[in-house]
Amino acid sequence: KQEVTQIPAALSVPEGENLVLNCSFTDSAIYNLQWFRQDPGKGLTSLLLIQSSQREQTSGRLNASLDKSSGRSTLYIAASQPGDSATYLCAVREGGSEKLVFGKGTKLTVNP
Amino acid sequence: EAGVAQSPRYKIIEKRQSVAFWCNPISGHATLYWYQQILGQGPKLLIQFQNNGVVDDSQLPKDRFSAERLKGVDSTLKIQPAKLEDSAVYLCASSLRRAGGLEQFFGPGTRLTVL
Repeated sequence: KQEVTQIPAALSVPEGENLVLNCSFTDSAIYNLQWFRQDPGKGLTSLLLIQSSQREQTSGRLNASLDKSSGRSTLYIAASQPGDSATYLCAVREGGSEKLVFGKGTKLTVNP
Repeated sequence: EAGVAQSPRYKIIEKRQSVAFWCNPISGHATLYWYQQILGQGPKLLIQFQNNGVVDDSQLPKDRFSAERLKGVDSTLKIQPAKLEDSAVYLCASSLRRAGGLEQFFGPGTRLTVL
């Protein structure tokens, strides 16, 4: 059974800092991995999607990497801003399925 | 492009009552998902539809939960009767197959409180 773990559960940083969020998964037979952002009381916003054959994806200040063999992904946020404060969720799509298995998320607070 | 629409946004009911949630996916998206997100947890898939057929409902508590997607567009999720542990956010998502792969898009969710 696929399990997704995100560390840390919560993170508080000063504005302008670069930071890394971690995601690990137990079964490396994944189709892709997706990072989402969730604001309080809101749904999920897709940030980046990495196919199993890819090593990384970039969008603006965000960079996500994937090491499928070791079951790890990282989300790098450069020059963090207070508007980046949210919960970040990692989800993997298993091969042969369209189901996403989510981690519990990392709650990020960026202090002005 | 309009996103995934859900209603109501909030619902408070007493245990043993019934409740229904509605979802309208992004136009043209054939696949629709219902997830349950308990506070402090990641979303958990309840049911997946491909057009109007069920693909995966292995984690749907079928003794009390039901879902349908008539005509392969809108969907409703019903709970009857509700229990305290059903308090959660119910998220609807739809997906589109792009060149870069299958990507899911989520609605704002319905927050259910069972008293």
